[in-house]
Amino acid sequence: AQTVTQSQPEMSVQEAETVTLSCTYDTSENNYYLFWYKQPPSRQMILVIRQEAYKQQNATENRFSVNFQKAAKSFSLKISDSQLGDTAMYFCAFMKGRMAGTGTPLVFGKGTRLSVIA
Amino acid sequence: GAGVSQSPRYKVAKRGQDVALRCDPISGHVSLFWYQQALGQGPEFLTYFQNEAQLDKSGLPSDRFFAERPEGSVSTLKIQRTQQEDSAVYLCASNSRDSLQPQHFGDGTRLSIL
Repeated sequence: AQTVTQSQPEMSVQEAETVTLSCTYDTSENNYYLFWYKQPPSRQMILVIRQEAYKQQNATENRFSVNFQKAAKSFSLKISDSQLGDTAMYFCAFMKGRMAGTGTPLVFGKGTRLSVIA
Repeated sequence: GAGVSQSPRYKVAKRGQDVALRCDPISGHVSLFWYQQALGQGPEFLTYFQNEAQLDKSGLPSDRFFAERPEGSVSTLKIQRTQQEDSAVYLCASNSRDSLQPQHFGDGTRLSIL
């Protein structure tokens, strides 16, 4: 079974600064995807960024980037130029398989509550 | 609709009552998932449908939990004889089989059992 561990229950960052959220995972699978989701108080899970395990290049989406270390099974999220709207719960998630659009459930970590301070 | 729609948004029930939670996925999405998110935790998988077929129900915590998707579109999660530990947010997600995108989530139903 796969497990996802987020060791930082809460973090805070000053507006415009950079923050890194940690995530480690355990799996024996070779093909898989990793995701970071954002959950604001509205409760909707919003996809922030995704990484295919077979890709060595780290994914980036505007101010969001990841540091994917496959051998170490580590998948951290870096948020640059933090904005007040980034305040939310952030969940790291794992999905096994080769295609994202299949019937494979996501395995989530417990989340990190990020507060961006003005 | 444009996104996954769940209703009701909030549900309060007394212990022992039955509840039904509805999920209306994105039109044309083949796959539908239910997750349970306890307070302060990440979502945990309950069950998965491909069209009307329930292909995986390994995450359902007890036989009091039942899900259906009779016409391959709207799904209902039913919890019988509710208990306080059933209090959680229930999230629904869907995606298209051919999509390279992961699951699209609804806003969830917050269930409180008194």
